[in-house]
Amino acid sequence: EVQLVQSGAEVKKPGESLKISCQGSGYNFDFHWIGWVRQMPGKGLEWMGNIYPGDSDTRYMPSFHGRVTISADKSISIAYMQWNSLQASDTAMYYCVRLRTIVTTPDFDYWGQGTLVTVSS
Amino acid sequence: QSALTQPPSVSGSPGQSVTISCTGSTSDVGAYDYVSWYQQHPRKAPKLIIYDVSQRPSGVPDRFSASKSGDTASLTISGLQAEDEADYYCCSYAGSYTRAILFVFGSGTKVTVL
Repeated sequence: EVQLVQSGAEVKKPGESLKISCQGSGYNFDFHWIGWVRQMPGKGLEWMGNIYPGDSDTRYMPSFHGRVTISADKSISIAYMQWNSLQASDTAMYYCVRLRTIVTTPDFDYWGQGTLVTVSS
Repeated sequence: QSALTQPPSVSGSPGQSVTISCTGSTSDVGAYDYVSWYQQHPRKAPKLIIYDVSQRPSGVPDRFSASKSGDTASLTISGLQAEDEADYYCCSYAGSYTRAILFVFGSGTKVTVL
């Protein structure tokens, strides 16, 4: 059974750093892109970027480039997303997703349970 | 890249059909046959229900169908059921370039079963 299991909820202060994780299981982690989707409170979905664990090829939505860093460790089937300096506007639910095929089309066939990040002073 | 435009809400009685539109531009929906649709129940992760404009993943009921014409994609739910009450989002490929990939989501539509 394919599963994406994300790290737990986080409460941080503005300016702090954070790294959240997404562990894949039940499939060959190397061969599917993993992406990240943001959902701010009461709002819609936003694409942030994705990584191909096999070779760490990473792509970002321009609006998030430089704001977050996506990485992966294929040896332990985990993808990460990190912030160096959080802002209150980063408060959101973050989902990791698996892209259905090796082609980068917007088919996200498996979703993690979400990681709620709260940034507040 | 602006969000694709969806109606904020649609509603229907059990057994009826509802259609949700997803309007983009010649840079996204109109340019590629890569539109997907997601269903999200409250406090749950979204679920893929349509990919490649009109393809259903296994396990998704055939009550869900979708199409595209020009810059607008559409999702139709036939024989509306209580469990279809949820938020629905479209998503389109909008191109890629070095170190960047553009996927654009719709603004979301709340489906209410009366």
